[in-house]
Amino acid sequence: QKEVEQNSGPLSVPEGAIASLNCTYSDRGSQSFFWYRQYSGKSPELIMSIYSNGDKEDGRFTAQLNKASQYVSLLIRDSQPSDSATYLCAVRAGGYSTLTFGKGTMLLVSP
Amino acid sequence: DGGITQSPKYLFRKEGQNVTLSCEQNLNHDAMYWYRQDPGQGLRLIYYSQIVNDFQKGDIAEGYSVSREKKESFPLTVTSAQKNPTAFYLCASSTLFQGAGRTEAFFGQGTRLTVV
Repeated sequence: QKEVEQNSGPLSVPEGAIASLNCTYSDRGSQSFFWYRQYSGKSPELIMSIYSNGDKEDGRFTAQLNKASQYVSLLIRDSQPSDSATYLCAVRAGGYSTLTFGKGTMLLVSP
Repeated sequence: DGGITQSPKYLFRKEGQNVTLSCEQNLNHDAMYWYRQDPGQGLRLIYYSQIVNDFQKGDIAEGYSVSREKKESFPLTVTSAQKNPTAFYLCASSTLFQGAGRTEAFFGQGTRLTVV
């Protein structure tokens, strides 16, 4: 059974701080990793994808992948109240496989 | 605009009634998926399809049925056999996975189904 684990939170950070969201996965064959943002009552929105070990930066977002530790994280710099949402980690294994989602971490950014 | 369209946005089902949720995409994606989300829960896979006229059960397929007669369309029917259908239903699509590469899944806006 493939599993993706996230701390449910809420993770509370003040405006302007760095928010760090973490995700672990059980399937060592996983090859693709994604972070989605989901506002309350809305559908998930893709914000980052990462496929190889290391860091990938896109604006205020940085995704970090460590396949040896089966760990992927998302850093949000200069957090804004508009970043308050649930962040879903998703993992896809090799071959023609489907996405497995974690339950999400709720992030609260206070002004 | 390219994207995924789900309809209706809200749907009410009476006990014992079958209802069908629509999902259409114009992204030319081969793969399409249906997920169910309950409050405070992650996304659970109901069915997926990687090619026209073929589909596979996901983790919670009981009480649901799908069809894939066209590449663009992947409707989901919630049957009366689904005992607890109240949930947020999400349709997604992606390219097929072929080694490392861009295989992101994109979501429609969702359908909120309520049993009355």
